Amino acid sequence: DAGVIQSPRHEVTEMGQEVTLRCKPISGHNSLFWYRQTMMRGLELLIYFNNNVPIDDSGMPEDRFSAKMPNASFSTLKIQPSEPRDSAVYFCASSPVGNYNSPLHFGNGTRLTVT
Amino acid sequence: GENVEQHPSTLSVQEGDSAVIKCTYSDSASNYFPWYKQELGKGPQLIIDIRSNVGEKKDQRIAVTLNKTAKHFSLHITETQPEDSAVYFCAASTGGKLIFGQGTELSVKP
Repeated sequence: DAGVIQSPRHEVTEMGQEVTLRCKPISGHNSLFWYRQTMMRGLELLIYFNNNVPIDDSGMPEDRFSAKMPNASFSTLKIQPSEPRDSAVYFCASSPVGNYNSPLHFGNGTRLTVT
Repeated sequence: GENVEQHPSTLSVQEGDSAVIKCTYSDSASNYFPWYKQELGKGPQLIIDIRSNVGEKKDQRIAVTLNKTAKHFSLHITETQPEDSAVYFCAASTGGKLIFGQGTELSVKP
């Protein structure tokens, strides 16, 4: 199994630009999570999908952030417009079971830098 | 809100020594406690987990203990090796989410 695949690995953009991060979960996993990692705030859950349906988006910082999961094998996290404080590593994770009480399999992340 | 405290933030040991990382949580309803290892440039990887109906779990050189009364759990690594050097995160299922500790940077010196 290839594991959770995220792209791009690195993204550098200017403030105000739109950024789209992509994730392919492990085949057969029906839950997908987007996390953000920073030195100050650690690992924060942004949003969680179960069977392609958003279940909990209370961690999405503001309306500039949006996430979609059009099918079981693909999800996107979009930031529009981007701001320097959005600079972080964004991780996607998937799980075979649809709740928080099961192991998460993380991708290798996208390092986002907004200048 | 619910939170998970992790200590220490950094830990340096000699190869072959043991390492212990401790976490406390605030939600008495938490029932799942995983530990993750994160190497540079990679995502966190699950190394061991424990559920609230179990007090201790071992997997080779790694063990986790849980004290539900005191609301704390610990990771124990014995016979440490240089390849154990990484950042370790504890987490607890709490408030309907998986909340992570701030991480412990473990350095194992040969």
